[in-house]
Parts: sequence; C-alpha cells; structure tokens
Amino acid sequence: KAGVTQTPRYLIKTRGQQVTLSCSPISGHRSVSWYQQTPGQGLQFLFEYFSETQRNKGNFPGRFSGRQFSNSRSEMNVSTLELGDSALYLCASSAGQPGNTIYFGEGSWLTVV
Amino acid sequence: GDSVTQMEGPVTLSEEAFLTINCTYTATGYPSLFWYVQYPGEGLQLLLKATKADDKGSNKGFEATYRKETTSFHLEKGSVQVSDSAVYFCALSVIGGYNKLIFGAGTRLAVHP
Repeated sequence: KAGVTQTPRYLIKTRGQQVTLSCSPISGHRSVSWYQQTPGQGLQFLFEYFSETQRNKGNFPGRFSGRQFSNSRSEMNVSTLELGDSALYLCASSAGQPGNTIYFGEGSWLTVV
Repeated sequence: GDSVTQMEGPVTLSEEAFLTINCTYTATGYPSLFWYVQYPGEGLQLLLKATKADDKGSNKGFEATYRKETTSFHLEKGSVQVSDSAVYFCALSVIGGYNKLIFGAGTRLAVHP
C-alpha cells in the first residue's frame, strides 16, 4: 500500500514568487492536513481538508491556502513568498475520524531566497 | 489552549542503555496521544499511539502509557540501538479538531556505539 506522496521534494523560490505543493494521500483516506516545520517554530498545523471541504485552519496568514480534489489529492499554495516561509512542508493523511492514525509524507523542502 | 511539553534534548546514550523521554500535555478532555519519529532528512513516522487513559502503545521495543492522572505519555525503550538516533515528537490530537495535531518541540536522541 503506497504511502503519502508529496511533490516536489525540493524547491528553491525567490521572494515575492508563489509556490504550489502537491500531496497524494494513502488510498482510501479522505482527510489531508498540512504542517509547516521550521527550526524556530517547530511543527505547526496549517489546515485540514476532508472530502474537498476545509474543516480546520491554523493561525497562518491568508497567503497560505489549500484545496482538495474529488480524488482526495490536495495542493497547498503560498503566494508572495517571504524568507520566513523557508521550511519543510509536511502533508498527512488519515481516514478522517477521531482517533484515526495520521500518516505523514516525506515532505517538501522549500527554500526562499 | 492545548499544548505538549517534551524534555529538552539532546539526549545522548550509549548503545543498550535505557531510554526515557518525558512528555506531558494540557488538553480539554481526553485526546489521543502519539509519538512520531523523524530521521535526518525525512518526514514523520508514527512510532506508537494511545487513544484512551491507561492504554499502552508499543512498537519496535518502544512503549508509552497514557496516564490521565499525571497528563503524561512518556516514551521508554529498554535497550537503544545506534539506529534509534533520531528526533522524537510527542503529539496530541485536538478533540473536535478534525485531525489537527499539536506537537511538542521534539527531542533529539543520539546513540553511540
């Protein structure tokens, strides 16, 4: 059974640009959530989608957005990139019910220069 | 709000030593609790979980017991190996949070031969 797949794995962007990251959840999982990991702030929740609907959102500016498609694949977008957006972005999937195990992908390493 | 506190690292041990990484939490109600491990350059892997008080999660020689009275979920292993060197994260699943996880800051473990 394939795990959570994230693309691209590594990318470098310039300040002011935008970036789109993609996530394919484990087959059959309908919940996809996104996290940002930085050395200073640790792991922080961005948002969670279930059946194409955003159910929960973290405390990030509106430049961070996401969506989920009918096949449960998800994308997150960051517009007007800032240096502080450099981070590892992790996608996680689960069946979506309380107590379900949440599985993480390998992450997308974003560097903003 | 909900939070997780982990002992600060790094923790440095010799091979075959006993490991304890402390984790305490603050939450409304009784959340599910998790330990994740992150190897260098990789995403998060679920190590173990517990969904209710007195549950013991175990995997690969690691154990943790959900203690409601002390709001703790300490990670233990009787004999560590060099291959256990990684960063360990304690996390809770926010009740009503739709798979939102709150993470501790992480504890780096280094095991020497």
